[in-house]
Amino acid sequence: GENVEQHPSTLSVQEGDSAVIKCTYSDSASNYFPWYKQELGKGPQLIIDIRSNVGEKKDQRIAVTLNKTAKHFSLHITETQPEDSAVYFCAARGYGGSQGNLIFGKGTKLSVKP
Amino acid sequence: EAGVTQFPSHSVIEKGQTVTLRCDPISGHDNLYWYRRVMGKEIKFLLHFVKESKQDESGMPNNRFLAERTGGTYSTLKVQPAELEDSGVYFCASSAGSILAPLHFGNGTRLTVT
Repeated sequence: GENVEQHPSTLSVQEGDSAVIKCTYSDSASNYFPWYKQELGKGPQLIIDIRSNVGEKKDQRIAVTLNKTAKHFSLHITETQPEDSAVYFCAARGYGGSQGNLIFGKGTKLSVKP
Repeated sequence: EAGVTQFPSHSVIEKGQTVTLRCDPISGHDNLYWYRRVMGKEIKFLLHFVKESKQDESGMPNNRFLAERTGGTYSTLKVQPAELEDSGVYFCASSAGSILAPLHFGNGTRLTVT
């Protein structure tokens, strides 16, 4: 079955710097890759997603890139702000799996220092 | 629109007791999912309902866990009898009917079994 590895587990950056979180997946048939942000006491919130027919997607300060050949995808946050501090999860959904049967990485705790 | 709501937010029970978690999905969402995050590990899929039917329950850990969604609206997840390893945060998510629709997560129920 699908396996998702996420790195780093913790990341600390200065306000205004960029942050990059990387994930690799094992099932070459996976076709959907969402990223979730989880703030303390809340559930995961979808912030951006990408499908396998696209190599890059941007939404303001957030971008995701996908390399299908290498089976990895990354989250890029530019001009980080203190409110970006949270735990970020990547996920992958394999072909043939349940519509929502996402396989998650273990999460990255991002701290943005003012 | 109201988001996915879960009740209770926290539950502390003793080993051997029974606990029932409830999830109210976003109105009109046919798909309802249960996930669980054990301390420090990844968020893991438990099961998926389409309306009142179980579409995929491959992630349910054992027969101490029973999920229902009578009438295709809210769902309950019962753990009976609870064991120490059941401790974690249980998330519910819902999505609209389209396979392209994103998952919306609730804030979770933190279950502690002592």
